[in-house]
Amino acid sequence: DTEVTQTPKHLVMGMTNKKSLKCEQHMGHRAMYWYKQKAKKPPELMFVYSYEKLSINESVPSRFSPECPNSSLLNLHLHALQPEDSALYLCASSLRLDRGYYGYTFGSGTRLTVV
Amino acid sequence: KQEVTQIPAALSVPEGENLVLNCSFTDSAIYNLQWFRQDPGKGLTSLLLIQSSQREQTSGRLNASLDKSSGRSTLYIAASQPGDSATYLCAVSRWGGSEKLVFGKGTKLTVNP
Repeated sequence: DTEVTQTPKHLVMGMTNKKSLKCEQHMGHRAMYWYKQKAKKPPELMFVYSYEKLSINESVPSRFSPECPNSSLLNLHLHALQPEDSALYLCASSLRLDRGYYGYTFGSGTRLTVV
Repeated sequence: KQEVTQIPAALSVPEGENLVLNCSFTDSAIYNLQWFRQDPGKGLTSLLLIQSSQREQTSGRLNASLDKSSGRSTLYIAASQPGDSATYLCAVSRWGGSEKLVFGKGTKLTVNP
């Protein structure tokens, strides 16, 4: 299995809703990532989990809450989002080797619309 | 701070043409460089990964080269097809353990039938 699977593919939510994005991989990758991508821009890093521990939080607002229940799963909990949070949310994973991180694999993304 | 630049920002070519996309980076202490393809509204598909010790990688009609000393990589696409139309992103990871993947802004390629 060489894939990163994201669900749902599309999500429309109101500003008072609570929802979760899910990501799963079975490649044995011990680093997992959430990226946010706006139209015509490159992906922007939000969070990194390395060996199931949060290692990077790129000053993301608290209305985004990541969770890594185990080495294969990554969730992003959403609460009280704003319309400007509408974007493509991408999950990725990579190998952790002695000299760095290797072989990033991305999921197909969740298209989020906040109304 | 690593910065990645891709030139050109957009490219339009007729079908069958060979083409080169360019990527440059400011810090040569990279662990590896990856080229990705992204179709509109879709995720990123990895095309080629070049480790810092390698000079090039090939997959089908694609060839990517890496020159760490000059901070440059090129993606060569042979005999382009309309199905190659997409945005191509170059990204580098740092030698020494940083998880961050630094992206260029991408080149939007259009191959006209």
